[in-house]
Amino acid sequence: GEDVEQSLFLSVREGDSSVINCTYTDSSSTYLYWYKQEPGAGLQLLTYIFSNMDMKQDQRLTVLLNKKDKHLSLRIADTQTGDSAIYFCAETPMGYSTLTFGKGTMLLVSP
Amino acid sequence: SQTIHQWPATLVQPVGSPLSLECTVEGTSNPNLYWYRQAAGRGLQLLFYSVGIGQISSEVPQNLSASRPQDRQFILSSKKLLLSDSGFYLCAWSGDIYQPQHFGDGTRLSIL
Repeated sequence: GEDVEQSLFLSVREGDSSVINCTYTDSSSTYLYWYKQEPGAGLQLLTYIFSNMDMKQDQRLTVLLNKKDKHLSLRIADTQTGDSAIYFCAETPMGYSTLTFGKGTMLLVSP
Repeated sequence: SQTIHQWPATLVQPVGSPLSLECTVEGTSNPNLYWYRQAAGRGLQLLFYSVGIGQISSEVPQNLSASRPQDRQFILSSKKLLLSDSGFYLCAWSGDIYQPQHFGDGTRLSIL
């Protein structure tokens, strides 16, 4: 079945760039997503990329997709303490409405 | 704009009691609706999804059921709660299968 893997933890200093990585196994993935979850809250959609794209940039966020290696990354430029949260990678296969999530990467930003 | 509401935000229930969690979406019609559970280990487990009124797909057989009595209303229920039903329950909606899912604020359910 489909599988999405993420590293569990990342620690950076305020002002540095953060890079959160994700790998997936389903070669029929059509869309890949990044969600952010703050403590006690629901998931907030940050950005998503269609599988025929290599890169998408949205203000401080840059998504890179290497479809050959099934690798997705989220880069946060100028990371702030308010970016501390859990970040989930998710994918949806062709023709399906359901998402497969990774277990999330906890980003801790220190001042 | 579209909004999604879940309630209650927090719930403490005894083992064996019934459950009803409600989710409603505003500002759209015929959304796809989803219920997820997030356990302490952080992963999200899809419980049910619905592509229309009265159409429910169950992903995991368990002590829970879902219903969609109206177009923009999705209800998660149980007749008798188990300790293992504790967790953070999230409702989500999407416009169609190629649109991203948008999540509610969740319900924290504790079973005593």
